Amino acid sequence: NAGVTQTPKFRILKIGQSMTLQCAQDMNHNYMYWYRQDPGMGLKLIYYSVGAGITDKGEVPNGYNVSRSTTEDFPLRLELAAPSQTSVYFCASRTGLVEKLFFGSGTQLSVL
Amino acid sequence: AQSVTQPDIHITVSEGASLELRCNYSYGATPYLFWYVQSPGQGLQLLLKYFSGDTLVQGIKGFEAEFKRSQSSFNLRKPSVHWSDAAEYFCAVGQTGANNLFFGTGTRLTVIP
Repeated sequence: NAGVTQTPKFRILKIGQSMTLQCAQDMNHNYMYWYRQDPGMGLKLIYYSVGAGITDKGEVPNGYNVSRSTTEDFPLRLELAAPSQTSVYFCASRTGLVEKLFFGSGTQLSVL
Repeated sequence: AQSVTQPDIHITVSEGASLELRCNYSYGATPYLFWYVQSPGQGLQLLLKYFSGDTLVQGIKGFEAEFKRSQSSFNLRKPSVHWSDAAEYFCAVGQTGANNLFFGTGTRLTVIP
């Protein structure tokens, strides 16, 4: 059972480049989340989804886009990378509102 | 507005000593409360959670936490810390009808021999 799988683990982007962070879960979870973690700032919610075809903004959605075409996958798109998007990105999923989150191992992104 | 405060950025304890990490929350309704632990280079792992009932909850790795509604607190405790407990600890709050959790800024725990 793989859980939540994030790819890539590390990436360096130039300013203005685009990329997609991949997230897949094999637990049939309805809820999926993207967080970013900056030093001393904890985790901030970027986007979340409560099921296939349904997404919504979190606290810090600017500069990002998401889609949820299947239950398993929840990719995060950066269209025009900026240095402010340098961060560690975590994908997470859970079955219901009060259940625990399962986290991926993270993607460390640097925008230079 | 919802918020979670972890007032201690960094705590250092000796191995075998007791530990208490503080968490205060501001929420409009009865919250769901969680403590997560993050080891270096890893994602977060759930230590324990509180939804209702007994205000003292037990978690994995010998951790416990107590919900105190009057103080809006959910402090994490461990009677005797092990070197392997060195990590970053996050308190998180959720609410019925809300789809996401709010996380605190984390407390980094260092354990010295």
